[in-house]
Amino acid sequence: AQRVTQPEKLLSVFKGAPVELKCNYSYSGSPELFWYVQYSRQRLQLLLRHISRESIKGFTADLNKGETSFHLKKPFAQEEDSAMYYCALSEGKLIFGQGTELSVKP
Amino acid sequence: GAVVSQHPSRVICKSGTSVKIECRSLDFQATTMFWYRQFPKKSLMLMATSNEGSKATYEQGVEKDKFLINHASLTLSTLTVTSAHPEDSSFYICSAQLTSSTDTQYFGPGTRLTVL
Repeated sequence: AQRVTQPEKLLSVFKGAPVELKCNYSYSGSPELFWYVQYSRQRLQLLLRHISRESIKGFTADLNKGETSFHLKKPFAQEEDSAMYYCALSEGKLIFGQGTELSVKP
Repeated sequence: GAVVSQHPSRVICKSGTSVKIECRSLDFQATTMFWYRQFPKKSLMLMATSNEGSKATYEQGVEKDKFLINHASLTLSTLTVTSAHPEDSSFYICSAQLTSSTDTQYFGPGTRLTVL
């Protein structure tokens, strides 16, 4: 069974528009959730983790245990945000979602 | 910040040969390293978890005799693809983790393997 689900393979928005990348998870207990980003031709890097509750590059993500979601949001998308975004659940090892390609058009 | 390197960055080999990929944590000691396989614009599939000084734990469906993993030191893990076939062509990525299971994983740049 899929533990981390990212329903959108591709999300295309215009510069300045709000963006929300969806992530739903299945886990009993208190989940440890992350968002990783992979820019073109670069390595995967941590964007943010829910326990730190910080905003990185204008992105935030709130854990909603009732809806078992950890959606990634940014109020005003920039062209440099174009990348692959992966939601991940940690259970000692990382379980990745399928990834969402974000394309921000000028 | 923590840096993980992989060598080689890309390799082309003939079918039936073996290929070794190295993963190094450059400025920290990693008790645990992970090996992933990534298909184009798709998710990372965890292949195995490697702990220093012990046998790797393989995920279901991953052949341990085909994908040999060695984690001889706290800064080096190797993945050897034995008797490679074209279907093994992929992007292999390693990551390293400091100590606890909740530590951040730091990813290597990946190795592109092409088997002819």
